[in-house]
Amino acid sequence: NAGVMQNPRHLVRRRGQEARLRCSPMKGHSHVYWYRQLPEEGLKFMVYLQKENIIDESGMPKERFSAEFPKEGPSILRIQQVVRGDSAAYFCASSQQGALDYEQYFGPGTRLTVT
Amino acid sequence: GENVEQHPSTLSVQEGDSAVIKCTYSDSASNYFPWYKQELGKRPQLIIDIRSNVGEKKDQRIAVTLNKTAKHFSLHITETQPEDSAVYFCAAYGGSNYKLTFGKGTLLTVNP
Repeated sequence: NAGVMQNPRHLVRRRGQEARLRCSPMKGHSHVYWYRQLPEEGLKFMVYLQKENIIDESGMPKERFSAEFPKEGPSILRIQQVVRGDSAAYFCASSQQGALDYEQYFGPGTRLTVT
Repeated sequence: GENVEQHPSTLSVQEGDSAVIKCTYSDSASNYFPWYKQELGKRPQLIIDIRSNVGEKKDQRIAVTLNKTAKHFSLHITETQPEDSAVYFCAAYGGSNYKLTFGKGTLLTVNP
């Protein structure tokens, strides 16, 4: 039973480039959450998605950041025109029924480095 | 929105001793409180959780207690082992929004 998958595991981008992070939830899970973790800090909620719907994006910066979870395929977190401050570990988590089934399981993360 | 405070930020114990990490939350409507363990460079792993209709839950050497009136919950690890060394995060879920709010983490070091 595969867990939450994320790729790439490491991503290096120059300032101004785009970063695209992918997350495949656990089998049977239809709810995806994205979190950002800065070095030696906790996890900050960014966005909560169900298939084809953004439920809560209150933690995501209004500019340059977007997320989607299409009917087919993985969830994608897109960061346009990256800046050094975007360097962080980005984790996604999935759950079975969102608000009804709380347990969230995390992927291995994508470590984004902006040079 | 929800605010979760976690203490201490670092904790060092001798192997075999107990470790206690405490968290407080602000939203009285929160109803689910998980604890995650994160080893260096790894993903957060759910180790135990508690729902608001329960005051205490135990799983081998790990226990969690919840005091809804005071809005605080604690993680207890007994008979600590070096492999327990990691960063531990508490979180609160539910209430006015459907997202996990995390504490800042506790770096636990178990000295052999």
